[in-house]
Amino acid sequence: EVQLVESGGDLVQPGGSLRLSCAASGFRFIDHWMHWVRQAPGKGLVWVSRINSDGSDTSYADSVKGRFTTSRDTARDTVYLQMSSLRVEDTAVYYCARGGHYNNDPNDYWGPGTLVTVSA
Amino acid sequence: QSALTQPPSASGSPGQSVTISCTGTSSDVGGYNFVSWYQQHPGKAPKLMIYEVNKRPSGVPDRFSGSKSGNTASLTVSGLQAEDEADYYCSSYAGGNNLGVFGGGTKLTVL
Repeated sequence: EVQLVESGGDLVQPGGSLRLSCAASGFRFIDHWMHWVRQAPGKGLVWVSRINSDGSDTSYADSVKGRFTTSRDTARDTVYLQMSSLRVEDTAVYYCARGGHYNNDPNDYWGPGTLVTVSA
Repeated sequence: QSALTQPPSASGSPGQSVTISCTGTSSDVGGYNFVSWYQQHPGKAPKLMIYEVNKRPSGVPDRFSGSKSGNTASLTVSGLQAEDEADYYCSSYAGGNNLGVFGGGTKLTVL
């Protein structure tokens, strides 16, 4: 059974840092692109970042470029989202989602999400 | 990338059909057959309902169907049931190794 479980969400002050983790199981991790998608309270889904299957290529939303970094650890079957210089507007539930073998594949499995709250 | 355009709300009575539109540009929806639709119930993670415009993952009822014409994709839910009440989001591939783009979401109400 495919499972994705995010962790690391917390309350953090503006300007602070946080690292989210997404532990994957039930599938061959190295074959899949992985994505981070966030949802601010009462708002829609927004792509944050994605990383290709071998970790050699990443893309970021303009709103987080230069502040967030996505990486993956194939030994631990885990993908990370390192967030720095956090802003109030980064407050959201962050979802990890499995992609396919290519960037145009859909996100067929999602984790339950982890809440990041940025507030003084 | 700008968000795809969806109506904020849609509704129908049990047993009826409802169609939700998703309008993009030739750089996303119109340029590729990689449109997906996700269902999200309150407090839950999104669930993939349609991919590649009109394909259904295993386990998704055939009451859900997708189509596309030009820069607009559509999701049709036939034989509406109470459990279909949820938010629906479209998404599209946007070329190369870019991030995809989501629509703003449509809240479907079953009357």
